[in-house]
Amino acid sequence: QVQLVQSGAEWRNPGASVKVSCKASGYTFSDHYMHWVRQAPGQGPEWLGIINPTGDNINYTQTVQGRVTMTRDTSTSTVYMDLSSLTSEDTAVYYCVRSSDQEFDNWGQGTLVTVSS
Amino acid sequence: DIVLTQTPLSSPVTLGQPASISCRSSESLLHDNGNTYLSWLQQRPGQPPRLLIYKISNRFSGVPDRFSGSGAGTDFTLKISRVEAEDVGVYFCMQLTHFPRTFGQGTKVEIK
Repeated sequence: QVQLVQSGAEWRNPGASVKVSCKASGYTFSDHYMHWVRQAPGQGPEWLGIINPTGDNINYTQTVQGRVTMTRDTSTSTVYMDLSSLTSEDTAVYYCVRSSDQEFDNWGQGTLVTVSS
Repeated sequence: DIVLTQTPLSSPVTLGQPASISCRSSESLLHDNGNTYLSWLQQRPGQPPRLLIYKISNRFSGVPDRFSGSGAGTDFTLKISRVEAEDVGVYFCMQLTHFPRTFGQGTKVEIK
């Protein structure tokens, strides 16, 4: 079955960077786009961006444009999200999400990123 | 950005009774390809969201048939015909027609 397994919780000081990974299994990795979504405590989800199967077409939301980098490694079926210049407003659970015909059909378990001094 | 407005924000329901959630979009969600990419997600406490309904009215694999979706253009509805205890959680509509993808603010379904 499809599985998206994310890296563990992270704690960062303001101004630092964080890299979250998401390892996929149970399907052909190169057949699907991947998205990143975050959810701040008590809030609704916020879409961050999309990366295509070959990793050469990426679209980021304006709120994190310039601070976020999404990449994928087909040799290990893993996608990564790197977020820099962190502030307390970046504290959230970050999810990787597989899409099929644009639908968000499988979600990772989430990675809590806490930004605090 | 497309704004999705859900009502109500909270829905206390008696077990076995129906529940209904509305989602209104600030713009039409009809894609150039003729599809309308409006989905409904369920988030149980402490869990990631999961897909319930896609393209307005299609139930995702494994979703019970007490869940149904309807609507068109800018107005959409999720209905639960008879609420069960496992349905407690927050429900989000989301649109995948336009970039950036956006979500409603969520409706909390709880048992009276």
